[in-house]
Amino acid sequence: KAGVTQTPRYLIKTRGQQVTLSCSPISGHRSVSWYQQTPGQGLQFLFEYFSETQRNKGNFPGRFSGRQFSNSRSEMNVSTLELGDSALYLCASTLTGLVTEAFFGQGTRLTVV
Amino acid sequence: AQSVTQPDIHITVSEGASLELRCNYSYGATPYLFWYVQSPGQGLQLLLKYFSGDTLVQGIKGFEAEFKRSQSSFNLRKPSVHWSDAAEYFCAVGANNAGNMLTFGGGTRLMVKP
Repeated sequence: KAGVTQTPRYLIKTRGQQVTLSCSPISGHRSVSWYQQTPGQGLQFLFEYFSETQRNKGNFPGRFSGRQFSNSRSEMNVSTLELGDSALYLCASTLTGLVTEAFFGQGTRLTVV
Repeated sequence: AQSVTQPDIHITVSEGASLELRCNYSYGATPYLFWYVQSPGQGLQLLLKYFSGDTLVQGIKGFEAEFKRSQSSFNLRKPSVHWSDAAEYFCAVGANNAGNMLTFGGGTRLMVKP
């Protein structure tokens, strides 16, 4: 069975631009979470979607947003990019809405120049 | 709010030696605890998890971890390290009232000497 797929794998953007990242969860999984990983701040939770509804949101500015579609695929968007947004963005998929093991994608490496 | 501390940023062990990576958590109720491993440029792979029951849990790749409530710890162990175990290891905690949000420790980078 296919794992979590994140596209694109690598992205270079200019300050001030916006970017959209995509995550396709494991088939049948209904919950998708997003994390930002940087050398300085480590792994930080961005938000979680379950059945197209945002259930939890981390402490990030409003420039970070996301959504989930009826097929459970999720996108996250970052507007007005800043240099500090350069990071590895990881998506995690879980079967249900309860705490259980999360399966991670390989991530999207975003570089803002 | 929950938190996780991994006191060791870097650890170097010789191949064949035993390994213990430390993890301390802070959470008011019974936590859901996880260990993940990350190779450079890759995502996270789940090694093992603890939800309840037996406090010694077995995982993949020969890893095990022991939940000690009295010490708020969930240390990861392996009796004999292989060169392929070199990676970064993350401990994480989840709360049963917070959906699938995980709080991660800062990670421990493991280097293996031949």
